[in-house]
Amino acid sequence: QKEVEQDPGPLSVPEGAIVSLNCTYSNSAFQYFMWYRQYSRKGPELLMYTYSSGNKEDGRFTAQVDKSSKYISLFIRDSQPSDSATYLCAVQGGSEKLVFGKGTKLTVNP
Amino acid sequence: DGGITQSPKYLFRKEGQNVTLSCEQNLNHDAMYWYRQDPGQGLRLIYYSQIVNDFQKGDIAEGYSVSREKKESFPLTVTSAQKNPTAFYLCASSLGARANTEAFFGQGTRLTVV
Repeated sequence: QKEVEQDPGPLSVPEGAIVSLNCTYSNSAFQYFMWYRQYSRKGPELLMYTYSSGNKEDGRFTAQVDKSSKYISLFIRDSQPSDSATYLCAVQGGSEKLVFGKGTKLTVNP
Repeated sequence: DGGITQSPKYLFRKEGQNVTLSCEQNLNHDAMYWYRQDPGQGLRLIYYSQIVNDFQKGDIAEGYSVSREKKESFPLTVTSAQKNPTAFYLCASSLGARANTEAFFGQGTRLTVV
């Protein structure tokens, strides 16, 4: 079983839609959960960072962690064409190494 | 501006050649990492270094080598032993080698074997 599973998509939505991106992980030792955004031919950049179960909101973005089910989500409200990118979830625990999902490619159509 | 600089942006290698990818950071970070990204594969860790003059293999180290002689620099050599080197290579750094530290990425080097 892979440490982090992420549906690669691709996902295509109309402008203004609510987007839901999800990952599952297998190791309960993971404590830190991140979402990175990667534009085409660029390096990833940190978008959201959470610790422990619950929600964290930043503008149009909400990160959600459910440790009991080992499930993490990123919601994008009022999606914009500029949100078109690949979104990577990442988890981190006692090993100190980041473990990445495969990434979900999102296209927001105007 | 502080950040991570990878060079070159594009690199072409002939079969059987070794090539070295450069990664320099001026963030005063202790930890540095090399990842390989292939379509549909996500990011896979090649090597990482938590301190100068020390580094560890990641998940796919075969055919690669690194050095960490200076805190700011972590070059990656793709050797002729790497059978399928065509990929997008990303360098990253973080403040420390412990959890709860954000990783900052460079803009990547796209390596193509010709």
